[in-house]
Amino acid sequence: QSVLTQPPSVSGAPGERVTISCTGSSSDIGAGYDVQWYQQFPGSAPKLLIYGNSNRPSGVPDRFSASTSGASASLAITGLQAEDEADYYCQSFDSSLSASEVFGGGTKLTVL
Amino acid sequence: QVTLKESGPALVEPTETLTLTCTFSGFSLSAPGMHVSWIRQPPGKALEWLARIDWDDDKFYNTSLKSRLALSKHTSKNQVVLTMTDIIPVDTATYYCARMEDDHGLDVWGQGTTVTVSS
Repeated sequence: QSVLTQPPSVSGAPGERVTISCTGSSSDIGAGYDVQWYQQFPGSAPKLLIYGNSNRPSGVPDRFSASTSGASASLAITGLQAEDEADYYCQSFDSSLSASEVFGGGTKLTVL
Repeated sequence: QVTLKESGPALVEPTETLTLTCTFSGFSLSAPGMHVSWIRQPPGKALEWLARIDWDDDKFYNTSLKSRLALSKHTSKNQVVLTMTDIIPVDTATYYCARMEDDHGLDVWGQGTTVTVSS
């Protein structure tokens, strides 16, 4: 069971805006640790989408944005495209007994 | 260009020790702020962070697996080695290594290597 909780699936039509939530606790996101987001296509390695809560690496379209609030984070994708259909994972640091990096359980985005 | 590539056995028997090597290029693990992590993903399941080694040789492990994991780096060979003891079938997964620079996320990943645990 992941420390960071994500919805198993979300969906949206092309052109729409979708958000993916990542709920943590006072020992991870709520403690101020940075959140990263990754995109993964079937059979491929994950790709970094967002680092440091809201920063996009070079080459990531500005359709992807993210934010944090309290012990939660969210990834927003605007102008949804068929090519955005993938799995998305949040990641942060857990300072509790586990004291390690942690990933969310992942969210499957389906473009209708 | 930064690249990482994982290598190791495709099939491991239960109770054996798994040794995986991450060979990288395009950066130095001796450079301040540089880190290499290992992450795994069982078939059809989520990513699981395993361990990280830093430029100053600090090492961090997934607490639930800490007793079974060990990391080492061979700077001259540009390699990071992960060993996992007492392998069991639930360790079947694709194992990735990835780089992080200055806490800017895992920005470059290897292609992954698939390990099956079976007798």
